[in-house]
Amino acid sequence: AQSVSQHNHHVILSEAASLELGCNYSYGGTVNLFWYVQYPGQHLQLLLKYFSGDPLVKGIKGFEAEFIKSKFSFNLRKPSVQWSDTAEYFCAVNAIISSGSARQLTFGSGTQLTVLP
Amino acid sequence: DGGITQSPKYLFRKEGQNVTLSCEQNLNHDAMYWYRQDPGQGLRLIYYSQIVNDFQKGDIAEGYSVSREKKESFPLTVTSAQKNPTAFYLCASSKRGLDEQYFGPGTRLTVT
Repeated sequence: AQSVSQHNHHVILSEAASLELGCNYSYGGTVNLFWYVQYPGQHLQLLLKYFSGDPLVKGIKGFEAEFIKSKFSFNLRKPSVQWSDTAEYFCAVNAIISSGSARQLTFGSGTQLTVLP
Repeated sequence: DGGITQSPKYLFRKEGQNVTLSCEQNLNHDAMYWYRQDPGQGLRLIYYSQIVNDFQKGDIAEGYSVSREKKESFPLTVTSAQKNPTAFYLCASSKRGLDEQYFGPGTRLTVT
């Protein structure tokens, strides 16, 4: 069964610091990859996604992520965080099986980011 | 205004009672999902449905039941057989199974 690992459970940064959140998955085939964000009191929402093409994808609010197939990784980055980025971030993986359909979306355990003003 | 609605936001029940959580979407999405979110465990899939009148068990289906009689609606029943029902429940939908999922605001269920 596929699994998704987010090794950083809680990250604390000061404003303007750079951010990198790790995400690794265990599935050897084709994958669709997602980062979701849950701001305090708000819906879980899509930050960015990778289906195919350029492995460096850009999302909303200045976030980007790089898919490195050889490392089974999809790390999230932002050059300079703001206080408003305080939220919980979830990596998710959809494994594409040979028939073209997908196994269920599997989420990591989440990383709580706290940005200090 | 398109989206996913879940009601109620907070729900309290006594142990031994079944309870049904509502999920409605007006996005014309084919697929719908129910997740359970517990602190430090991310989201775990309970049930999902790719089309009307069809649904499949997810990773933690025991003690839960669903129905999909209409495209717009995917209610979840938490039965008395669910050993640890207190949790935050999220409903989601996607155009197809491969697409990104859109989430509702969630229902926090407390069983005492």
